[in-house]
Formats: sequence, structure tokens, C-alpha cells
Amino acid sequence: KNQVEQSPQSLIILEGKNCTLQCNYTVSPFSNLRWYKQDTGRGPVSLTIMTFSENTKSNGRYTATLDADTKQSSLHITASQLSDSASYICVVSGAGNNRKLIWGLGTSLAVNP
Amino acid sequence: GAVVSQHPSWVICKSGTSVKIECRSLDFQATTMFWYRQFPKQSLMLMATSNEGSKATYEQGVEKDKFLINHASLTLSTLTVTSAHPEDSSFYICSARGGEVAGLQAYEQYFGPGTRLTVT
Repeated sequence: KNQVEQSPQSLIILEGKNCTLQCNYTVSPFSNLRWYKQDTGRGPVSLTIMTFSENTKSNGRYTATLDADTKQSSLHITASQLSDSASYICVVSGAGNNRKLIWGLGTSLAVNP
Repeated sequence: GAVVSQHPSWVICKSGTSVKIECRSLDFQATTMFWYRQFPKQSLMLMATSNEGSKATYEQGVEKDKFLINHASLTLSTLTVTSAHPEDSSFYICSARGGEVAGLQAYEQYFGPGTRLTVT
């Protein structure tokens, strides 16, 4: 069954600290993995997209990693800011006849001053 | 680039009425548009996929006669919730994919800001 699981479900950190969010998936065949940031009441905004051959990709203070062998990904946020408070969603796209996006439930991040 | 807008951003309607939500790709031509629904504390759920000029493909469990989708042009898709009921209250999000023709990543979906529908 195609699934995407994220942990932790929620996280509270202090401004300036780093944090790492995890994503495990069972989608096969695999095409790409995306991380989105969704502010409350807004649509998702793409942070990174990685294909099978990519191990790491950065977007400013966001760095995503992908291990296609273990089917795991992480999103590392460096020097967190108050504006980073949002839901971070891992989404995996299948390939071939399995091209749908499989959405994780997200990690709710709160950055406190 | 790759901006998607939705209108309205929020709407309140009475039970039994119909509501139309517009989704526009502002700076690219969207060959495919997607409509999602999101309930509180849940992830996005794909409702339907539409390609310009053809009928939408609905996901299992989504009533096509209740959620009418029209993708009349490469920059506009509309979702009409017919005879809305309180259980239809949700956050509706559209996304658009332009593909390599639009100079964008072929598989990237660009999301609109969402429309909050409340049915009283």
C-alpha cells in the first residue's frame, strides 16, 4: 500500500534553533519526493523536489535529504525563524501507472521567541 | 513565475445554494489542473484532475454531479459545489501543472492560496 508517514506529528522549538523532520514512504515505483510548507489557511508552497538520483537539495535554510534505498527523507531547518511556524508536508509521487501524489499528514512546527 | 490564484478566498453560503470557485494560472498555461479538499488537521485530498478541454477525472468517492469542474481554457478552471450542505464546509485548494511546454518542471504542481467554504 502506498503510504507516507511523517514524524514528529508536532514540534515546538525556540527561535534560532535547528530542527529535523522525518518522512518514511512505501510508494513504489518511485518518481520524486517533495517537501511543502503550508501556512495556516494557505495553499502549500514547494520547498524542494528530489528525484531518485538526488541525495540532498537545499533551498535557503531548508535542506532535504533522500535515501531511496531505505525510502526515507528528512527536512532540516537551520536557524529557525518565527515565520517558519507552519505545517511541513512530505509528498511522494509514484511512477508509471502509480503517478499520483501521496500526501503525508505533515509535521506542525511552532517556532517560539 | 508560476503563480496560481483562487477566487474567492473565502465564502459563506446557505445550505442548498451553489458556490463557484475559480482557479487561474496567472503567468503560465496550465495543461492540467487539480482540485483538492482539506479538512482541519488533515492533509490534502485530491478530488479531481482536469485537462483543458476534456472532462475531469474524479477520485473514488467524489460525486461528480455535486462537484462540477470546468477547465475551459489553459488558464482557468472552476469548481462549482452544487446544493451545498454544512458537511461540504472545507478548505478547497487548486493546483496547476504546466509541464515542459510552459518552461516549468514537468511534474511540478503550483498551488493556489485556497478557498475557505463555510455552509450554514
